[in-house]
Amino acid sequence: SQKIEQNSEALNIQEGKTATLTCNYTNYSPAYLQWYRQDPGRGPVFLLLIRENEKEKRKERLKVTFDTTLKQSLFHITASQPADSATYLCALGGTGGFKTIFGAGTRLFVKA
Amino acid sequence: GAVVSQHPSRVICKSGTSVKIECRSLDFQATTMFWYRQFPKQSLMLMATSNEGSKATYEQGVEKDKFLINHASLTLSTLTVTSAHPEDSSFYICSARDEIASGELFFGEGSRLTVL
Repeated sequence: SQKIEQNSEALNIQEGKTATLTCNYTNYSPAYLQWYRQDPGRGPVFLLLIRENEKEKRKERLKVTFDTTLKQSLFHITASQPADSATYLCALGGTGGFKTIFGAGTRLFVKA
Repeated sequence: GAVVSQHPSRVICKSGTSVKIECRSLDFQATTMFWYRQFPKQSLMLMATSNEGSKATYEQGVEKDKFLINHASLTLSTLTVTSAHPEDSSFYICSARDEIASGELFFGEGSRLTVL
């Protein structure tokens, strides 16, 4: 069955450093991969989408890579800030009616 | 960006009662909306796909008579948890895709249901 793995352990980093989160998947060939931010008790907020034919995408302090051979995406937040503390969800989607499936997320704590 | 509004954000009810949660797309039309359930520290689990003007498509293991979905217009979908029990207590989230603008999936703020 399709499976998405994100590090269940929280990631603790110091303010100003780069946070790197990992998303691995199996038994799926997604047309695109998305990253969302979720704060406690709130719905997810869309951050970035990267398509299967793209290797890297950037948006302000965010960078996402997508390696369809390794079946892995890396999500980077540069110059991290305490306000970046949240849970980050990886999601895979396909075309032709394929549903979007979500990973369990990785909790990020940025210390001042 | 597009906004999806979900109401109520929190609801507490007695066991055996029914609860309705509304999901509205505020500035775009959504022929399809999605309902998820999320337990603490777990991923969003898709419960059903709500289709405007037709029956919802339920995921395996989701009781359609328990979780009634109605998508009466292009901007409103409702989820009714019927005869709620404590095990139905969870965080319910809806989403809608702005297919015309970007195909991006927008989420509501979620509804925390507590069944006593």
